[in-house]
Amino acid sequence: DGGITQSPKYLFRKEGQNVTLSCEQNLNHDAMYWYRQDPGQGLRLIYYSQIVNDFQKGDIAEGYSVSREKKESFPLTVTSAQKNPTAFYLCASRTGGYNGELFFGEGSRLTVL
Amino acid sequence: DAKTTQPTSMDCAEGRAANLPCNHSTISGNEYVYWYRQIHSQGPQYIIHGLKNNETNEMASLIITEDRKSSTLILPHATLRDTAVYYCIVFFTYDYKLSFGAGTTVTVRA
Repeated sequence: DGGITQSPKYLFRKEGQNVTLSCEQNLNHDAMYWYRQDPGQGLRLIYYSQIVNDFQKGDIAEGYSVSREKKESFPLTVTSAQKNPTAFYLCASRTGGYNGELFFGEGSRLTVL
Repeated sequence: DAKTTQPTSMDCAEGRAANLPCNHSTISGNEYVYWYRQIHSQGPQYIIHGLKNNETNEMASLIITEDRKSSTLILPHATLRDTAVYYCIVFFTYDYKLSFGAGTTVTVRA
């Protein structure tokens, strides 16, 4: 089945540690996205990538880094510079063209202790 | 930045139609209106999208005003399982920066 897989689903880390969240898609989509969601809040865009080896900052990129070495993969690193990393992280992908629907993964919940 | 305005919350009685408004007064001619919903702690789910004509699918109907500055998502017979946060976003298919607003929290009551 085609879709987006995020892992891990739950992650606990100590303060000051870098954490990498995985996002893999087999939909052959060009564009991929990372969003952050805090309790009771909407989705905020962290980074997005239109094509392999290219990515842009979203609205809240500080303290995060990404890479896009393969079309199907867009990992997100939450660095120690991110002041409040505890959140729900969502990855999405879409193709261009007329039917530019976004497909989301099931999310990764990061808790920093 | 998000280009849409939605009410923060609304209630609906089970079995009744739920009408969710969205203002997108700065929409340009080639931008589509998309609706998604998010049930607690899950990834958002696509509902429907449209450009200027009204659209209907098995989940909902989308009514876009003639000037395209606002739209309404209609859930024809709301059920308890429709309780979710509903997001309205607008984007051009080749516009890759997609920002969401806070959405509307819809609570369907028995």
